[in-house]
Formats: sequence, C-alpha cells, structure tokens
Amino acid sequence: AQTVTQSQPEMSVQEAETVTLSCTYDTSENNYYLFWYKQPPSRQMILVIRQEAYKQQNATENRFSVNFQKAAKSFSLKISDSQLGDTAMYFCAFIKAAGNKLTFGGGTRVLVKP
Amino acid sequence: EPEVTQTPSHQVTQMGQEVILRCVPISNHLYFYWYRQILGQKVEFLVSFYNNEISEKSEIFDDQFSVERPDGSNFTLKIRSTKLEDSAMYFCASNGGRGVVGSQPQHFGDGTRLSIL
Repeated sequence: AQTVTQSQPEMSVQEAETVTLSCTYDTSENNYYLFWYKQPPSRQMILVIRQEAYKQQNATENRFSVNFQKAAKSFSLKISDSQLGDTAMYFCAFIKAAGNKLTFGGGTRVLVKP
Repeated sequence: EPEVTQTPSHQVTQMGQEVILRCVPISNHLYFYWYRQILGQKVEFLVSFYNNEISEKSEIFDDQFSVERPDGSNFTLKIRSTKLEDSAMYFCASNGGRGVVGSQPQHFGDGTRLSIL
C-alpha cells in the first residue's frame, strides 16, 4: 500500500516571498504520478501541478514548481512570489500509473500574510 | 472550463436515515470517483466507477454505501442507515480516462458537507 506524508501541518509566508512544502511517499511501484492539489476556504480541490515519475525534469506551472527526488521518494512544492490568493490547504497525492485511486497526504495549511 | 458539480452543498440528516449525494461529472469523462474527508483528517478514497460498474473500492465502502449512474449525466452516492461517523465532506471527481488512467488528473467538485445528527 502507498502512503503519503506531509510533515508540515501549517506554514506562513509573507506576500511576494517563497515557501516550500514538503511531501514524502512510500511505494514499491516504479511508474506513478504525483500531484499537488490546493483547497482554498471555498473548499474546491484544485489541481496545482502534476509530475510523472519516469520524467527526471521537475514540473513547473507559473509560480509553482516541484523538486522531485525519486530515489528519496520526495516531492516538494515551491510557491514563488506568494500571493494572498495562495492561502489554502495544500495536499500532496500519489497514484499508480494504472491506478484508480489517489492517496493523499494529510495536508499543509499555507497562510500568506500581507 | 467544464466543472464537476455537486449537490447539495450541505446536507443535514438524522442518524439512521438514508441520504443520496449527487454529482454531475464533466461530460466527456469516463471515470468517476467518490472521496471522503472527515473534519481534520486526510482525504480518503471511497470508490471508482467505470463503464457502469465499480472498478475499485476501499475498505470504507461497505454494504452501507452504493453508487449509481442512473442516466447519462448524474453519478450518485447513496448512504443507507447513516451513522454519526459518516459526517464528513464528500467529494466527487472525474477524469477523462483516456490513455493511462492514472496519468489523467482527477477533477474535483466543491464537495457536499454531510452532517449526521
């Protein structure tokens, strides 16, 4: 079974600064996908970024980028130039390549301060 | 951009009653999912549904739960004989399912907050 761990329950960052959220996972699979989802107070789960395990290149999406370390089973999210609208709960999630279910971490609450 | 829509946004039900949570997935999507998030806890997978049948379910998804796609658009989760511990946020999700299914991002609805009294 897969497990996903987010060790930081809460983080705060000043507007325009950078924050990095950590995520580690445990799996025996070789082919899988990793995601970061954002859940603002409005509660909708929004996909932020996706990483394919067989790609060494780290995914980027505007101000969001990941540091994917497959050997270490680590998948951190960096939010650059933080904006007030980035305030949300962030979930790391894992899925096997041929799998159906997402396995989520416990989430990290990010508070962007003006 | 197409969205997954869920109704109602909040459902209050007496313990022991049956409840049906409704979802309209994105129209051309093929895989449908239900997840649950108990307050303060992780989002947990309940069930996946493809080609009019359950493709995978978790240990949580016991005989108390059932899913149905009664027509071409709706996807429902029925919870029979509700218990206090069923109180949670329930999320519906869908993905296109074309190619490698795990590679397709799952698109989530806003959730239904279920409160059992």
